[in-house]
Amino acid sequence: DIQMIQSPSSLSASVGDRVTIICRASQNIGSYLNWYQQKPGKAPKLLIYLASTLQDGVPSRFSGSESGTEFTLTISSLQPEDFATYYCQQTSTTFETFGQGTKVE
Amino acid sequence: EVQLVESGGGLVQPGGSLRLSCAASGFTFSNYWMSWVRQAPGKGLEWVATIKPDGGDKYYVDSMKGRLTLSRDNARNSLFLQMTSLRVEDTAIYYCARVDTTSSKDFWGQGTLVTVSS
Repeated sequence: DIQMIQSPSSLSASVGDRVTIICRASQNIGSYLNWYQQKPGKAPKLLIYLASTLQDGVPSRFSGSESGTEFTLTISSLQPEDFATYYCQQTSTTFETFGQGTKVE
Repeated sequence: EVQLVESGGGLVQPGGSLRLSCAASGFTFSNYWMSWVRQAPGKGLEWVATIKPDGGDKYYVDSMKGRLTLSRDNARNSLFLQMTSLRVEDTAIYYCARVDTTSSKDFWGQGTLVTVSS
């Protein structure tokens, strides 16, 4: 199985901060990398698909990038509603895998 | 509006069985791959299973292979997950999710809680 290693597992930030979360794949996954946001007690919400394409309705302060097997989610200016847990997910194979999550608090 | 509503969760003893359902509306269900994703209490997300639009191909996570049967009824816009020989470690919220053409999960249900305990 392809392993997805996310870092950090948690981070402390303030409103207005630039936040960066990294996800590394254990092997080549092309651009088949998605990012989700999950708030307590809620279902995950798709933010970015194919590494860098913003899902409809997602604010432009969210962005994604890739370099080889390393993928980055950036929040350019953290807003109060962005405090949540973020997950990466690879879908390059039928047997998908998620990163372990990054809690932004 | 796309809606996915799961049902069928509950408390079951180890070794027991449960059938989860997901009712879909607001889109042409028969055109989409569908998946189940679970989340154990306080833990991360884990992909469980995926089914092709016509129900012909199905894929399961290794940890539950042989204990899961995924099916769908396109006439009733419904997705089903039959789980058998349940273990304590299967305790989780089970989410139904629509699979986009890019393989991302673009819509999710609210989840149904499965608790395996004696």
